[in-house]
Amino acid sequence: GQSLEQPSEVTAVEGAIVQINCTYQTSGFYGLSWYQQHDGGAPTFLSYNALDGLEETGRFSSFLSRSDSYGYLLLQELQMKDSASYFCAVNPRDDKIIFGKGTRLHILP
Amino acid sequence: ETGVTQSPTHLIKTRGQQVTLRCSSQSGHNTVSWYQQALGQGPQFIFQYYREEENGRGNFPPRFSGLQFPNYSSELNVNALELDDSALYLCASSLVSGGAGELFFGEGSRLTVL
Repeated sequence: GQSLEQPSEVTAVEGAIVQINCTYQTSGFYGLSWYQQHDGGAPTFLSYNALDGLEETGRFSSFLSRSDSYGYLLLQELQMKDSASYFCAVNPRDDKIIFGKGTRLHILP
Repeated sequence: ETGVTQSPTHLIKTRGQQVTLRCSSQSGHNTVSWYQQALGQGPQFIFQYYREEENGRGNFPPRFSGLQFPNYSSELNVNALELDDSALYLCASSLVSGGAGELFFGEGSRLTVL
């Protein structure tokens, strides 16, 4: 089957750096995406990796290694507003887009 | 704001009833996907519509059905509601199907089945 695994919760300190990992079991997918969701809100797109390597968008970076079936989201200079749930997602060739269960990020002042 | 609007935002139904949820996609987007998100879980793919045709379906029973209209707006219909159908239903629009397109989500319709 197809699945994504990510930690259920991560805690970090304001101003620090945190990495949220995502491992997956699927073959033949277009790429790995990351979404942020605040409580009561809609998921919002953060980044996308079609190719192996690092993509940087401001304070957020995302990495993909297809050979390792692994990716991560890196958040730098953490701010309190970054407290949210973060989901990795893959779009397999059959278009049945799969999301992970999400990682809840807690930020301490 | 994503430009994707959903209605109603909240609704309560009883077991066995039917519900219709609506979604207006972002202007110019021809693909709409529907997701079910239970509390504390990730969004689960229900189905996707591309130019009014179903284009991919997740592991949901046939009582979950949908439509996409010529203006690319969409409906999700759920018949014979069960208690486990209580969830946040999210609509997402995108420019392309079957690729890397960014998904633009609406705020969702929160369904409670009693």
